Amino acid sequence: QSALTQPASMSGSPGQSITISCTGTNSNIGSFNYVSWYQQHPGKAPKLMIYDVSKRPSGVSDRFSGSKSGNTASLTISGLQADDEADYYCCSYGGSTTWVFGGRTKLTVL
Amino acid sequence: QVQLVQSGGGVVQPGGSLRLSCAASGFTFSDYGMHWARQDPGKGLQWVSFIHFDGSNKYYTDSVKGRFTISRDNSKNTVYLQMDSLRAEDTATYYCAKDRGLLGSTLDYWGQGSLVTVSS
Repeated sequence: QSALTQPASMSGSPGQSITISCTGTNSNIGSFNYVSWYQQHPGKAPKLMIYDVSKRPSGVSDRFSGSKSGNTASLTISGLQADDEADYYCCSYGGSTTWVFGGRTKLTVL
Repeated sequence: QVQLVQSGGGVVQPGGSLRLSCAASGFTFSDYGMHWARQDPGKGLQWVSFIHFDGSNKYYTDSVKGRFTISRDNSKNTVYLQMDSLRAEDTATYYCAKDRGLLGSTLDYWGQGSLVTVSS
């Protein structure tokens, strides 16, 4: 049940686009389409932003999009806004009814 | 709207026990699986446990097997996490989360978190 690999930090200017990667293995991301992404502001609970690789829950801005290729999933945020500054986590179903999260990506909006 | 309200965190000595509760509202509780996840102070998230919609099956991450027990009471719309033989490394904020389905797919709505500190 090894963690998925995300970059520790990323940054971008308002209006720019950024893409956060999440690398797993054939045992998780590579085998299942239950990949999700969460946004977490300081002191708050995680909020679901993307599920099933590329689907957006109701109420989530279409500036957020997800994709997957092989063992790597990606979250793209377009038109960066100040409120996008937060921690982001990926998550994948890991088989045998287990789930695995990525390490934190701290996004800074310059 | 979906609400998950947690209770039961606190400070406990190594080897001690604690029970977390998570009261759900805003959806048909008995139609969804439920999870517990935790977050080390300043660090990342870790999935801890999952229970099927009807409580028939339960699953755990390796590090808590044999020490933690997940359960649910569908008549009270509440899921529990009983934590025994607690260790320092169990210190974390614990979150309950609703699954999008009955048998497990995505953690969608999360509770507010309960801080558990294991220290002598």
